[in-house]
Amino acid sequence: AQSVTQLDSQVPVFEEAPVELRCNYSSSVSVYLFWYVQYPNQGLQLLLKYLSGSTLVESINGFEAEFNKSQTSFHLRKPSVHISDTAEYFCAVSSSSNTGKLIFGQGTTLQVKP
Amino acid sequence: DAGVTQSPTHLIKTRGQHVTLRCSPISGHKSVSWYQQVLGQGPQFIFQYYEKEERGRGNFPDRFSARQFPNYSSELNVNALLLGDSALYLCASSNQRGQETQYFGPGTRLLVL
Repeated sequence: AQSVTQLDSQVPVFEEAPVELRCNYSSSVSVYLFWYVQYPNQGLQLLLKYLSGSTLVESINGFEAEFNKSQTSFHLRKPSVHISDTAEYFCAVSSSSNTGKLIFGQGTTLQVKP
Repeated sequence: DAGVTQSPTHLIKTRGQHVTLRCSPISGHKSVSWYQQVLGQGPQFIFQYYEKEERGRGNFPDRFSARQFPNYSSELNVNALLLGDSALYLCASSNQRGQETQYFGPGTRLLVL
């Protein structure tokens, strides 16, 4: 079985400041890792994913996450946030044999202030 | 190409009623998964269907059921609705048997009174 813990329920930050959203997971099998973003009253959008290969993965809008197997973490970072980044962020894990079942964390609300 | 679509967008029911939620996957996608997202929490896995067969089931009571049709669209049915079933129900599709990224629809928001 897998589980995901997002260590911060809310992260307030000023515009143009760096941010880190923390995610730890547990699993007895090989996993894939995902970050999804949810804007108010919308569904989930994939931000980035780690399947294999380089442990550092990047999104098109400046976010990056690093898979750390020894620490079972997949923290999300952005060097400079924008007001438009305000949203709910979910870390998720699946077994590498079936991504049809995602296990999500509780979510972290990123609040970017002007 | 159209993304994952879900209908209806919003629904209000009373306790004890039955509800059917519908999902159309991205064209070419054969796997559909359903999730329940209660306010303030992360989505919880309910079902996965692939090629019209159930491939996984989460920890939900038998009041929850689903099926997938030959065109790969899917229905989620919930019987004997409880107040606690109020949530956003999300559908996601992928193009292989769970070996690819899941793409989510906008969800159906169900309110049980």
